[in-house]
Amino acid sequence: DGGITQSPKYLFRKEGQNVTLSCEQNLNHDAMYWYRQDPGQGLRLIYYSQIVNDFQKGDIAEGYSVSREKKESFPLTVTSAQKNPTAFYLCASSITAYNEQFFGPGTRLTVL
Amino acid sequence: EDKVVQSPLSLVVHEGDTVTLNCSYEVTNFRSLLWYKQEKKAPTFLFMLTSSGIEKKSGRLSSILDKKELFSILNITATQTGDSAVYLCAVRGGNQFYFGTGTSLTVIP
Repeated sequence: DGGITQSPKYLFRKEGQNVTLSCEQNLNHDAMYWYRQDPGQGLRLIYYSQIVNDFQKGDIAEGYSVSREKKESFPLTVTSAQKNPTAFYLCASSITAYNEQFFGPGTRLTVL
Repeated sequence: EDKVVQSPLSLVVHEGDTVTLNCSYEVTNFRSLLWYKQEKKAPTFLFMLTSSGIEKKSGRLSSILDKKELFSILNITATQTGDSAVYLCAVRGGNQFYFGTGTSLTVIP
């Protein structure tokens, strides 16, 4: 089955802890993206990667970090520096940066 | 500042009605405009538009782009309860996608 998987589905974190959200795709897509979705707001871009070993900051990268060591994987770390991390996080991928994006099922992160 | 604005924010219609959702944008280095449907979790892709005046159609859904006036519309005819969802508009400018806040559509029987 081809697709994008994200894990875990729900995640709870204590303040001050770093946490890593997983995103894996077996679609052989070059580009991958991380978005954050908050109630009443559109999706906001955190980071994106057009190719392995390269990534760029989006509009709200502060307090987040990523890596792209393998084509199929683009994990997102939410650090303790992120002031308001409670949100729904969506990962997406596209064949290239010029094509439509396909989304994973999302991870809902709650900071206690 | 790049922005994408969708209207209305929410809409309630009866089954069988026709609806028109709007998306206006101000995005530098415009490349394409995309529509997505988000029911519970992951948005699913509907259309990608790059040229003005060319309608894209899929069943009861259709969409068109006006690059001069910087907007797009998404039409849904003969709505069904399964059309209830949030419809997202995204515009690609350069290497980034900019999303609107979405239009929440509720179709009641």
